Amino acid sequence: QVQLQESGPGLVGPSETLSLTCTVSGDSVSSSSNYWSWIRQSPEKGLEWIGYIYYIGTTKYNPSLRSRVTMSVDTSNNQFSLRLSSVTAADMAVYYCARGYGVFDQWGQGTLVTVSS
Amino acid sequence: DTQMTQSPSTLSASVGDRVTITCRASQTISSWLAWYQQKPGKAPKLLIYRASTLESGVPSRFTGSGSGTEFTLTISSLQPDDFATYYCQEYNSESQTFGQGTKLEIK
Repeated sequence: QVQLQESGPGLVGPSETLSLTCTVSGDSVSSSSNYWSWIRQSPEKGLEWIGYIYYIGTTKYNPSLRSRVTMSVDTSNNQFSLRLSSVTAADMAVYYCARGYGVFDQWGQGTLVTVSS
Repeated sequence: DTQMTQSPSTLSASVGDRVTITCRASQTISSWLAWYQQKPGKAPKLLIYRASTLESGVPSRFTGSGSGTEFTLTISSLQPDDFATYYCQEYNSESQTFGQGTKLEIK
């Protein structure tokens, strides 16, 4: 059974960098079969795909966030990570990690990130 | 950017009803469309991909159809577990845009 679990600070200050990690069990981030994505959800913007990372480090980001997003993968710990810089109140959302690109067939439970000083 | 518009935004129905949710794309996306179900406090769950392919384990009362710019999700006979919010999502463009959601409520 595949499980994904997000972790990271639930509170980030304005203009700071949001950092989250997704730990995968039941599958391998090193698998050539899968891409690993981040998706967020807010009442204002709804569901928004942020980007994906492939096990060799290839990334693709949503053009609307491309200038602020960095993703990385840690195959030794079976994790992948998200960094979003210069956050504002508009970045407040539930952040999900998910398996896939285009079609997201496994999701983490989500973690709420609040932006506030 | 491809915009995805769902209708209706809210749908009231009863157990046993047949319901249809529509999703329209602002430009053609071929069949690159998925449907998800989300319950409060939970992550979305994949139901259908490539417009009409049922994800493994999803009940056959869920049916997806359409191509190009107009798509539908039909639930043939509503069950109590089906009351949730449904999202379409295109994966033809760089942005992988989701619709705004359709909340299916108990009448």
